[in-house]
Amino acid sequence: GAGVSQSPSNKVTEKGKDVELRCDPISGHTALYWYRQSLGQGLEFLIYFQGNSAPDKSGLPSDRFSAERTGGSVSTLTIQRTQQEDSAVYLCASSLQTGFLGNEQFFGPGTRLTVL
Amino acid sequence: GNSVTQMEGPVTLSEEAFLTINCTYTATGYPSLFWYVQYPGEGLQLLLKATKADDKGSNKGFEATYRKETTSFHLEKGSVQVSDSAVYFCALSPSGGSYIPTFGRGTSLIVHP
Repeated sequence: GAGVSQSPSNKVTEKGKDVELRCDPISGHTALYWYRQSLGQGLEFLIYFQGNSAPDKSGLPSDRFSAERTGGSVSTLTIQRTQQEDSAVYLCASSLQTGFLGNEQFFGPGTRLTVL
Repeated sequence: GNSVTQMEGPVTLSEEAFLTINCTYTATGYPSLFWYVQYPGEGLQLLLKATKADDKGSNKGFEATYRKETTSFHLEKGSVQVSDSAVYFCALSPSGGSYIPTFGRGTSLIVHP
C-alpha cells in the first residue's frame, strides 16, 4: 500500500497474556519508529530502527517490551505478560532516513490495545 | 534533553475565529520543527514544517514561523472551520546526535458552527 499500515487495529487481551503488534512501513523508508499514545499524554517514544538495527531502545518502558525489524521492512512490537497500564494506542511511523533535517514521519493508524 | 511545550487544551472557537496554538521548545543546535494534526479516528499527519530560523511553514491556511530567539513555533490560522477540529502536535527533530523526535502533548481544537 501507499501508506504505513498497522495490525491489528484493535486488540483486547487479558492481563498476563503476550501480544504482538505489527507495522508495515512505506516501501523504501529506512527509519521506523514506535510510539505509545495514552489518553492526554501525547506521544511517548519507545524505539526506533535504522534498517534492521535499533540504535536506541531507551524508550522501552520495561523488559517486557521488545521489538524487531526484518528485511528492513516489517516490524513487530511484542509485549509480554501484559499489564493494565499497557493499555494505549501504539503508533508506528516511518521516514525516508534518520538524521536528515526536515525529514517527515509518516504515521500508521495505530493499534488500540486494551488489557483487561 | 530536548523538550516541546504546547498550550493545554481544549481550545474552543467559533467558526471563522482566529487561532493561535503556542509551542516552545528546548533543544541544542538547530532542530527542525513540525506541526502534526490528528483528525478524529485517524493517524497523525504532517501539517507543516520549518527547518531553519525565520522559515515559515504553511499549509491549508495554517502558518508557523521558526523563531530561534524565542525558541517558539506557534501555529496560527486566520479563520478556522469546523473541519479543523482535531488534535495538533508540535514536534522537533534534532539536528545531530540523537535521531529521536520529541513531541508535545497535543492541543485539542474544537470549532463550533
